[in-house]
Formats: sequence, C-alpha cells, structure tokens
Amino acid sequence: QVQLVQSGAEVKKPGASVKVSCKASGYTFTSYGISWVRQAPGQGLEWMGWISAYNGNTNYAQKLQGRVTMTTDTSTSTAYMELRSLRSDDTAVYYCARVKHRNLDYWGQGTLVTVSS
Amino acid sequence: DIVMTQTPLSLSVTPGQPASISCKSSQSLLHSDGKTYLYWYLQKPGQSPQLLIYEVSNRFSGVPDRFSGSGSGTDFTLKISRVEAEDVGVYYCMQSIQPLFGPGTKVDIK
Repeated sequence: QVQLVQSGAEVKKPGASVKVSCKASGYTFTSYGISWVRQAPGQGLEWMGWISAYNGNTNYAQKLQGRVTMTTDTSTSTAYMELRSLRSDDTAVYYCARVKHRNLDYWGQGTLVTVSS
Repeated sequence: DIVMTQTPLSLSVTPGQPASISCKSSQSLLHSDGKTYLYWYLQKPGQSPQLLIYEVSNRFSGVPDRFSGSGSGTDFTLKISRVEAEDVGVYYCMQSIQPLFGPGTKVDIK
C-alpha cells in the first residue's frame, strides 16, 4: 500500500533552516511527483510547491520563492523540503503528498515545525 | 491570481440528513487539456487531509458513494447524501491550475 512517512518534529530558532523528509513506499517513486502543503495552527491548508520525482523539475509558491528548496533522492525514494530564514509565522505542520496529474492522492502524517526564540 | 471561496464556512448536520458545500473560483478551472482541476479533501480531527473527489466528480478509491461532486467552470458542489458521524471534519476544495485551497468548511454533528 502507498505510504509516505515523514520525519519527526523540529524546533528551530528564527533565521535558521529546517529540512523535512518524506519517505515513500508502495509505488514506483519516479512515476509520481511530491507536493508539500503546510498548515499553521488552527488555519487552513497552504500549497508550498511541487517536485517531479522523475526529473527533479520544481514549481514553488511565489511567496516562498527564494526560501524553499524541494529535492528528491530516487535511490531511497525520499523527498525533502528545506525552508530557510525561518520566521515565527513558518510555525506549522508540514505535509508531503503524492501527485499524479495534479492530483494529491496520498498524504504523509505531517511534521510539526516550531519556530521560536 | 485565482481566489477560492467556500460556503458555508461551518455546517451542523443531523445524522442521516444530506449536506452540501459550495466552492467558487474567481476564474474557470477548465484547463486547455479539457480537464477541470477541482478537488475535494476532508481533514478529520487530528488527521492528515484525505482525497475525496478528483476532477470535479470522480470519487477516489475507497470513498463511500454517499459523497458526490458536481459543477463546472467556476462553480462546484460537494454533496453528502446522508451524513454519518465519521464525516465530521473540515472540507477543503482545491484547484490545481494555480494550486490553492479554499478556506475550508467545518462540518459537525448536531
């Protein structure tokens, strides 16, 4: 069965960086993309961007351009999302989701990132 | 930029009764490839979002047939024919032309 297992919770100081991983199993990793979505406490869902696991092409949300980098490691079927220059409003649960034809069909369990001094 | 709205933002439903959520987009979601990229997700309390409906009206694998989606262009609707207790949570529509989620509709049981 399709599974996306994310790395554990992180606590970071303002200005630092965080890298969240998303390990995929149960399907051919390179046949799909991975999107990242975040959810601030008590808020709705925010799409952050997408990466093709086939060729590494990316598409980032405009508001995060320059601060976010999405990568994949096809040898381990793992996707990564790095966010730099963290601010308090980056505190959120970060989700990865499998993507095919723009469809986010399976989601990871989420990773809480807390930014606090 | 495309703007997504949902109505209502909250809904309290008696079990066994129907429910309906509207989602409107500021621009048509009909892509040049002929597909309409409108999706519905449910986020149950304490859980990750789960896909219910893709491309307006297609139920995802394992989704009960009491859920149905309809609409075209800029106006879309999610209907639950008979609400059950397990249907509580926040329902989001999402468009993936310029990926963006709606604000969400919180559904609870009376």
